[in-house]
Amino acid sequence: DTGVSQNPRHKITKRGQNVTFRCDPISEHNRLYWYRQTLGQGPEFLTYFQNEAQLEKSRLLSDRFSAERPKGSFSTLEIQRTEQGDSAMYLCASSSDSSPGYGYTFGSGTRLTVV
Amino acid sequence: AQKVTQAQTEISVVEKEDVTLDCVYETRDTTYYLFWYKQPPSGELVFLIRRNSFDEQNEISGRYSWNFQKSTSSFNFTITASQVVDSAVYFCALSEARRGYSTLTFGKGTMLLVSP
Repeated sequence: DTGVSQNPRHKITKRGQNVTFRCDPISEHNRLYWYRQTLGQGPEFLTYFQNEAQLEKSRLLSDRFSAERPKGSFSTLEIQRTEQGDSAMYLCASSSDSSPGYGYTFGSGTRLTVV
Repeated sequence: AQKVTQAQTEISVVEKEDVTLDCVYETRDTTYYLFWYKQPPSGELVFLIRRNSFDEQNEISGRYSWNFQKSTSSFNFTITASQVVDSAVYFCALSEARRGYSTLTFGKGTMLLVSP
């Protein structure tokens, strides 16, 4: 069990560019969550996958944000036409049980800086 | 809507002092879960404890203890004999049950600085 892996750890991009982050959950976990954490705030929920199905995406911040989880394994979060306000830590978490928060393991996050 | 309030933005203590981190929550759910997470400078969120709304027993784990009081909607966290390694941001969180899955609503966090 290597935990939840996120790549890259840091990303600096110019405003207007597209960026993609990857999350590899714990292998036996079928549930995957994306959260965003801005400076001085707690993480906020963005989207949720159960296997390959994206069951909740209403909290994605705008239509510039999209996420996929092909084949129910790793997941990607893409931000198109980045803006300075997108600068934040993007956290991925996975779990294997529907019990609220049971076995909810977070990755170390990808820190995005938009310049 | 659910809400978690951590009124203490930053706390500074000297090693070996006891420190209590406050958490107050709001929810309309009758069944819910409360959590504490630790976020060291490296960034990952480390799970510390989960407590369900039907279990108001206080819990102790080594130097850590938690006081859950449903009557005041509080779930406070105490570190006894603090150590420098306890320095981190601590988050309190509340689960939302949504159509068979759950998400967490976090407070803004309390930064704890423990100096030698």
